[in-house]
Amino acid sequence: QSVLTQPPSVSGAPGQRVTVSCTGGTSNLGAGYDVHWYQQLPGSAPKLLIFDNTNRPSGVPDRFSGSKSGTSASLAITGLQPEDEADYYCQSHDRSLGASVFGGGTKVTVL
Amino acid sequence: QVQLVQSGAEVKKPGASVKVSCKASGYMFKTYFMHWLRQVPGQGPVWMGIINPSDGSTSYAQGFKGRVRMTRDTSTSTLYMELSSLRFDDTAMYYCARGIENDYFDSWGQGTLVTVSS
Repeated sequence: QSVLTQPPSVSGAPGQRVTVSCTGGTSNLGAGYDVHWYQQLPGSAPKLLIFDNTNRPSGVPDRFSGSKSGTSASLAITGLQPEDEADYYCQSHDRSLGASVFGGGTKVTVL
Repeated sequence: QVQLVQSGAEVKKPGASVKVSCKASGYMFKTYFMHWLRQVPGQGPVWMGIINPSDGSTSYAQGFKGRVRMTRDTSTSTLYMELSSLRFDDTAMYYCARGIENDYFDSWGQGTLVTVSS
């Protein structure tokens, strides 16, 4: 049972917009800690996709965007591409655990 | 560019120990805190602990205290993670990752698969 809750899967056709939700609690997202997102392609290590809620590292396409409000956060992919098919994880800090925590992951499928 | 290159896959018996290495290059080794995480297929990563390469100080996640030891060799810019008293449920991919503001992880090693099997 992950501290951050994500839907197991979302899907969309090429060109569509999909969103991945991440729900936390009062000791992590609700306590004001930032949320970060990672993309994990099959057989690869996670790759930083969004940091500090809304920021993209250099090289990440602008079709990826993030938002956060209260105890929830979202990752949006606009103009879905076949190469976006991957697992996506949200991550934050939990004050009660004194540790970084992750969601269980969401598999994005491009139909 | 930042590179984190980990040691190869390991197969261990229950009760044994494993030591995984992570060689860093492309940046000033002592400048960034480093983390170890593990991931079971189909699940999210789990944070194991953090090491300050500058002075070797460490902090471990509650679930691994007493079984994990993180060290570093500044002469070779290499980190080590040793996990002892291995159990079947320690079978996972283990990653080193560079930490930014002790907040998120901007570079990851390629992963080391540790299999615990009798």
